Amino acid sequence: GAVVSQHPSWVICKSGTSVKIECRSLDFQATTMFWYRQFPKQSLMLMATSNEGSKATYEQGVEKDKFLINHASLTLSTLTVTSAHPEDSSFYICSALPLSSYNEQFFGPGTRLTVL
Amino acid sequence: AQTVTQSQPEMSVQEAETVTLSCTYDTSESDYYLFWYKQPPSRQMILVIRQEAYKQQNATENRFSVNFQKAAKSFSLKISDSQLGDAAMYFCAYRRGGSQGNLIFGKGTKLSVKP
Repeated sequence: GAVVSQHPSWVICKSGTSVKIECRSLDFQATTMFWYRQFPKQSLMLMATSNEGSKATYEQGVEKDKFLINHASLTLSTLTVTSAHPEDSSFYICSALPLSSYNEQFFGPGTRLTVL
Repeated sequence: AQTVTQSQPEMSVQEAETVTLSCTYDTSESDYYLFWYKQPPSRQMILVIRQEAYKQQNATENRFSVNFQKAAKSFSLKISDSQLGDAAMYFCAYRRGGSQGNLIFGKGTKLSVKP
């Protein structure tokens, strides 16, 4: 089956530092990947749509200079949280849309970010 | 804009019993997909069932089935013979058809299963 990995699964960083989260589709190619943010006991909120070889599309209210997205290949998208602050602490989930089928997105296991 | 509403923040069911989770949505599109996802404590999102809007027949996956009422814009999930492993957050989601659109999620329903 289609597998999506995320690395790291959990990261703790100091306020003001930057953190990079990787999202990889392990056994399929994806031109489109999505980045979601989930606060405790809440739903998933789309942050941005990542397209291979082009600029990401950010949802309203998401700072593109703070949440840098790079989709450099058909199997890898990265989300960098720049100058992280405690309010950026959250659970970040990526999903990937296979080239072969637009009917289903496959989700990564998520990354828990804690900013001290 | 499309919206997805889950009106039941929490539900509880006895093991081996049946439970129905509600979901309504709003859209002006005619081509779309609807999904139910399960998120257990591990927080890995797991697809439970998918329904194409153009299909009149309700989707079924083993113990999971949906009641898709297109005119009413309702998409409920029925879990039969509930098991302890069914305990999780359940999210209803919408995706526009014909494109690589993103998912729009409801707020979720926390399902507890009592032994």
